This record gives sequence, structure tokens and C-alpha cells, in this order.
Amino acid sequence: KQEVTQIPAALSVPEGENLVLNCSFTDSAIYNLQWFRQDPGKGLTSLLLIQSSQREQTSGRLNASLDKSSGRSTLYIAASQPGDSATYLCAVPRGSGYALNFGKGTSLLVTP
Amino acid sequence: DADVTQTPRNRITKTGKRIMLECSQTKGHDRMYWYRQDPGLGLRLIYYSFDVKDINKGEISDGYSVSRQAQAKFSLSLESAIPNQTALYFCATGGDRVSGANVLTFGAGSRLTVL
Repeated sequence: KQEVTQIPAALSVPEGENLVLNCSFTDSAIYNLQWFRQDPGKGLTSLLLIQSSQREQTSGRLNASLDKSSGRSTLYIAASQPGDSATYLCAVPRGSGYALNFGKGTSLLVTP
Repeated sequence: DADVTQTPRNRITKTGKRIMLECSQTKGHDRMYWYRQDPGLGLRLIYYSFDVKDINKGEISDGYSVSRQAQAKFSLSLESAIPNQTALYFCATGGDRVSGANVLTFGAGSRLTVL
């Protein structure tokens, strides 16, 4: 069974700092990995999708990396802003299908 | 209008009542999913469907049933609600027909409280 773990569970940083969120998964035979953002009481918004053939994917101040062999992905947020405060979740496909297994998320607070 | 619409957004009900949560989408996606989210447990998959004739159980399907009435509609039913089904429920769609990418689009969620 694919297990997804995110560390840390919560993180508080001052505005302007660069930060890294971590995601690990037990079955390295994945064909992609996704990072999502969730604001309190809201749905999830897809941030980045990395295909297994890629090592990095960038969108604005966000950069996600994928190392399949070690079962790890990182989400790097540059020059953090208070508006980045949210929960960030990573997800990988369940087995060979298209349904996703999610980590429990990292709750990020960026203070002014 | 939202790409993925869930109704109701909030519902309070009593133990033993039948509840239906509805989901409709305008993305044109074939794949639809129901998840529940609980504090400390994260998102867990209840059911998923890859087309109108394809329904699959997820990791926590007991006590739930689903119906894929059309390509754009996927409803989740609790035949006899119990308090531990109190949770935030999300519908999601995926499967872009052009790119093939499986980026999921989520609805805003349905908060269900069972007393």
C-alpha cells in the first residue's frame, strides 16, 4: 500500500524567508506526483504536477522536485508571503490507477 | 460558475437518516472521485469512477454508495448516517482529454454533521 508522509506537520516562518516542505512515499513506482494547496475550509487547488520522467517543475515562486529512487519530493517556496499561508498536500497515484493517495499535509503560517 | 459544484455545502442530520451529496462538473472530465477529510487523518478515498459504467471502491467505502448518473454527475449516498461519518467531503474530477494529464480539480467541499 502506498503511504505518503509529510514533514513537518506545521511550520511558521517570517515573511520573506525561503522554505522547503517535504514529502516521502513508500512505493517508488509512481508515474507522477502532485502538490496541492488548501485554504481553511476550502477545497484543494493543484499547484504543480511532476511526471516521473521529470526532476523539477516550476511555477512562479514555487519549485517542486522529485527523486523517485529515494521516494521523496520537496516543494520550495521562495520569498514567502502572508498569502502563502495554507496547508500544502502532496499526492501520488494509488497503484496503477488514477486515484490519488494524499499525505496529511503541512500547515504553513507566514507571519508579516 | 465553479468547475466542480458540490451540494449541499453544509448539512446537519441525525443518526439513521439517508443523505445524498451531489457533485456536478463542467470540466468534461471522465474521472470523478469522492474523498472525505478528517482532522489528523487527511484525505481518504471513498469511491471513484472512470466513466458512467465504471465504479470502484476506495479505501473506506463501507457505509457509502455512489451513483454516476451521467458523465458530469457523481453522487455520494449515506444510507443510514452515523456520527463517525461527520466529516468534510470532497468531490474531484480528473483526466484532461487533450493532454492526458491527471491534474485533479476539487469542489469546495460539503461539510456533513451527523448528530
